[in-house]
Amino acid sequence: QVQLQESGPGLVEPSETLSLTCSVSGYSISSGDYWGWIRQPPGKGLEWIGSMYHSGSTYYNPSLKGRVTISADTSKNQFSLKLSSVTAADTAVYYCARDHLLTMPGRIDPWGQGTLVTVSS
Amino acid sequence: QSVLTQPPSASGTPGQRVTISCSGSSSNIGSNNVYWYQQLPGTAPKLLIYKNNQRPSGVPDRFSGSKSGTSASLAISGLRSEDEADYYCATWDDSLSVVFGGGTKLTVL
Repeated sequence: QVQLQESGPGLVEPSETLSLTCSVSGYSISSGDYWGWIRQPPGKGLEWIGSMYHSGSTYYNPSLKGRVTISADTSKNQFSLKLSSVTAADTAVYYCARDHLLTMPGRIDPWGQGTLVTVSS
Repeated sequence: QSVLTQPPSASGTPGQRVTISCSGSSSNIGSNNVYWYQQLPGTAPKLLIYKNNQRPSGVPDRFSGSKSGTSASLAISGLRSEDEADYYCATWDDSLSVVFGGGTKLTVL
């Protein structure tokens, strides 16, 4: 079964770049489907950040476009998120997940357990 | 402000049937399938309903989904204490992004 695990710094300074990695097991990200990131500020709802296909095709949330980059390292079966110029508003639990954009856009499963990233000096 | 509108809260007693609504527009729900997610306290969201009314294996048939026009609903029958969670609807939008509802906190009284 497909499993995902996020990793990366739990604290990022304002104006810096947030970087997270998602390690996938049980399925090769090169085999298909999109792989993406979703975030959830403390006590708030879910926000889709964006997704990428192993070939390089990407979709990003228009509200974050320009600050977001999602890319893959197929040799490690990992994909990553970079969010630049962060502010306190970017403090959230960040989830990585399999995003079924090709066949069922809106279907996101499975999800990683999530990792809290706090933006603070 | 979420693209999809859900009531912030819902409640019911054990055994009751509750419904949670999700309202959108022609650019999202009106032209795409709806998905529902359940988020138990302190855990990651889990897919509950896909393609409007389909249940993944392992999801009890107490959970059902429907869609009509630009709105969708999640119904939970035979309410149980373990159903207490946050529920989110989601779909694809013409802005080329996945959009979520603001979430509904379900309390089992």
